[in-house]
Amino acid sequence: NAGVTQTPKFRILKIGQSMTLQCTQDMNHNYMYWYRQDPGMGLKLIYYSVGAGITDKGEVPNGYNVSRSTTEDFPLRLELAAPSQTSVYFCASSWKTGNEKLFFGSGTQLSVL
Amino acid sequence: KNQVEQSPQSLIILEGKNCTLQCNYTVSPFSNLRWYKQDTGRGPVSLTIMTFSENTKSNGRYTATLDADTKQSSLHITASQLSDSASYICVVSVTGGGADGLTFGKGTHLIIQP
Repeated sequence: NAGVTQTPKFRILKIGQSMTLQCTQDMNHNYMYWYRQDPGMGLKLIYYSVGAGITDKGEVPNGYNVSRSTTEDFPLRLELAAPSQTSVYFCASSWKTGNEKLFFGSGTQLSVL
Repeated sequence: KNQVEQSPQSLIILEGKNCTLQCNYTVSPFSNLRWYKQDTGRGPVSLTIMTFSENTKSNGRYTATLDADTKQSSLHITASQLSDSASYICVVSVTGGGADGLTFGKGTHLIIQP
């Protein structure tokens, strides 16, 4: 089982550029999440999805967009990259909420210069 | 505001020694508390999940305790190994919080020296 797969692992963007962070899971999980992890800080939720076609904002959604056309895929779109978006991004999935554990991808390290 | 505080920020111990990491939370209403291990350059991996009624949960050499009255948890690592070097993250979930109901601590960075 691959679990949660994220691409790319590293990326450098110039201010104002756009990009999509890819995330796919092969565990047939309903719930998928995007988090960002800044140095010395706890993970912050950007967006989440409770199933195909359903997405909702998390704590820090500004500057990002998501879509969920299939159960497996949950891409994160940065439209106009800003230096404040320099961070490590993690995609995660779970079968449901409550006491279910999250399965995380290995992360995408993004620098905006 | 829901908060999760972890201590210490960082810790260095010798291989083979035991250590205890602390987590205090002010999340309400409490649903469960999780400990994750995050190796450098990797995503977090679940170690334990404890609900209100559970005081202790073990996963190999990792033992988590929970005191819901004082809103404190600890993660005890026994006979540490070099592979235990990682960040350990405490996460607390609120009842009815749904997919956005998790509050993450900043983590404790643990270094095991040979």
